[in-house]
Amino acid sequence: DIQMTQSPSTLSASVGDRVTITCRATQSISNWLAWYQQKPGKAPKLLIYKASSLESGVPSRFSGSGSGAEFTLTISSLQPDDFATYYCQQYNSYPWTFGQGTKVEIK
Amino acid sequence: EVQLVESGGGLVQPGGSLRLSCAASGFAFSSYAMTWVRQAPGKGLEWVSGISASGGSTYYADSVKGRFTISRDNSKNTLYLQMNSLRAEDTAVYYCAKGSRAAAGSSYFDFWGQGTLVTVSS
Repeated sequence: DIQMTQSPSTLSASVGDRVTITCRATQSISNWLAWYQQKPGKAPKLLIYKASSLESGVPSRFSGSGSGAEFTLTISSLQPDDFATYYCQQYNSYPWTFGQGTKVEIK
Repeated sequence: EVQLVESGGGLVQPGGSLRLSCAASGFAFSSYAMTWVRQAPGKGLEWVSGISASGGSTYYADSVKGRFTISRDNSKNTLYLQMNSLRAEDTAVYYCAKGSRAAAGSSYFDFWGQGTLVTVSS
């Protein structure tokens, strides 16, 4: 199975900060990577697919990059609505696997 | 508007069974793969099972293989998860999610339901 590791696990930041979350796979997954945002008590929401494609309706301050085994999610200017937990997920091969999550907290 | 509404969760004893349903609307259900993802209390997301648009291909996580069965009724726009031999570690919120294409492979999840809680406890 492909393991996905996110760093950091928790991130404290202020409104307006630039935030970067890293996701590493144990083997190459090409660009078959998605990023999701989840708020407490809510379902996950798709932000990015195919490593760098922005889902329709998602603010342009979110961006994704990377290929192979290392990927990043960047929020260019953190907004109050962005405090949440973020997950990466590979869909290169079964079983689909998620990173452990990165919680973005208010500093 | 895409809507996915899960039902069927509840409290069940270890060794028991439950069937989850996910009613879909707002999109051509029969044209897309579907999946189940679960989240144990306070934990991260775990993919459970996936099914192709036609229902001809199914996939399972090792943790549920042989105990859970995914199926779909395209005439009713409904996805199912039959869960047997339930264990305490199956306690979680179960989400259904829509795949981005007909084949389950190379398909990410673009819409999610709100989830249904399954609690396995005596």
